[in-house]
Amino acid sequence: QVQLQESGPGLVKPSETLSLTCTVSGGSISTYYWSWVRQPPGKGLEWIGQIYYSGSINYNPSLKSRVSISTDTSKMQFSLKLSSVTAADTAVYYCATVSISGYEFDSWGQGALVTVSS
Amino acid sequence: SYVLTQPPSVSVAPGQTATITCGGNNIGSNSVHWYQQKPGQAPMLVIYYDGDRPSGIPERFSGSNSGNTATLTISTVEVGDEADYYCQVWHNSDHLVVFGGGTKLTVL
Repeated sequence: QVQLQESGPGLVKPSETLSLTCTVSGGSISTYYWSWVRQPPGKGLEWIGQIYYSGSINYNPSLKSRVSISTDTSKMQFSLKLSSVTAADTAVYYCATVSISGYEFDSWGQGALVTVSS
Repeated sequence: SYVLTQPPSVSVAPGQTATITCGGNNIGSNSVHWYQQKPGQAPMLVIYYDGDRPSGIPERFSGSNSGNTATLTISTVEVGDEADYYCQVWHNSDHLVVFGGGTKLTVL
């Protein structure tokens, strides 16, 4: 069973860049897509984007201009950067594995709350 | 963009059957996945490929998908099933993951 753990600052100032890292254990880097999903307080799930180890990347069009996802396969990590953040980016950010056959999210991290505030 | 529509809330008495729908244009041509999320927890996959159950998910959870509606059915509902439920598809034409807005299941 794949284990995922998000890490990064819990507080980011408006207009700055949010950066999170997901560390993966117990899985093969080539078996899944690696994805980020966020959930504003009291609201639903929003897909941010996903990356495959080969470099194939898909982003949510609503965030595409501000988001970047990358991998460090040597460290079994993948990362999220979201630039020019506002209060609307305050959310719990989850990293997850996505099946390459059916695109279901089969393992999730516990989530990291990131608050955007000065 | 592709939109998945779920009822905001569904209420059911313990022991009864809960039905949660997920509407989308020709959703039957996509594989639909369902997630359960309890307060303070990460989502958990409960149904994939329309109706398959991951290991450890009770047989009480089932799913179907046809036409413009996918359905998650929870039979013999228990108090512990109270949670938010989300449907999800991979919209291949756009290369996008889409989540429904979520349904809060209340067990009365």
